[in-house]
Amino acid sequence: DQQVKQNSPSLSVQEGRISILNCDYTNSMFDYFLWYKKYPAEGPTFLISISSIKDKNEDGRFTVFLNKSAKHLSLHIVPSQPGDSAVYFCAASASEGAQKLVFGQGTRLTINP
Amino acid sequence: DAGITQSPRHKVTETGTPVTLRCHQTENHRYMYWYRQDPGHGLRLIHYSYGVKDTDKGEVSDGYSVSRSKTEDFLLTLESATSSQTSVYFCATSTADTQYFGPGTRLTVL
Repeated sequence: DQQVKQNSPSLSVQEGRISILNCDYTNSMFDYFLWYKKYPAEGPTFLISISSIKDKNEDGRFTVFLNKSAKHLSLHIVPSQPGDSAVYFCAASASEGAQKLVFGQGTRLTINP
Repeated sequence: DAGITQSPRHKVTETGTPVTLRCHQTENHRYMYWYRQDPGHGLRLIHYSYGVKDTDKGEVSDGYSVSRSKTEDFLLTLESATSSQTSVYFCATSTADTQYFGPGTRLTVL
């Protein structure tokens, strides 16, 4: 039972364009969502988060959108840069914070020059 | 960076042998976690700790045990390693807002 799903295993985007990574969840008790970025042979690093009381959170080139009725969140990266090539994981929590996260399978983003 | 180190970083072992992975943090975070990462599964929680000597099971805890005798150290033990436990293992700590991950341990069970 995959409570958090990233249905696109991979995504290829041209440098300078927008990258949109999607994530769906099934548990309506999830109230806090995070995105992580992972380079090969390194641990995941935190990118951005959003609470269920908001529908958008922005940090520089990264924006996360949350659609609670659709149980869907997305990460927008604008403009995409070669250093953004990595695996991106979305994660969700039902504990009003970052304890006991449930992760999606990940999406490998490749930025092409 | 939350000052998390993992040891060893790489290990090859044989089926049936015991293995212990160590996680050490310098941030005095209360919560610590062990995950495994496998293709197609993302990160799955094995065990977590919410304080010294306080631990609980995660999603994939069978075949694993943990111990936390000090705030800074969280040990993951495979009592008798199996080939299905070949994986990359990540330790994490958390604040209220996010989890911070160590660099990972690649474990191969032959």
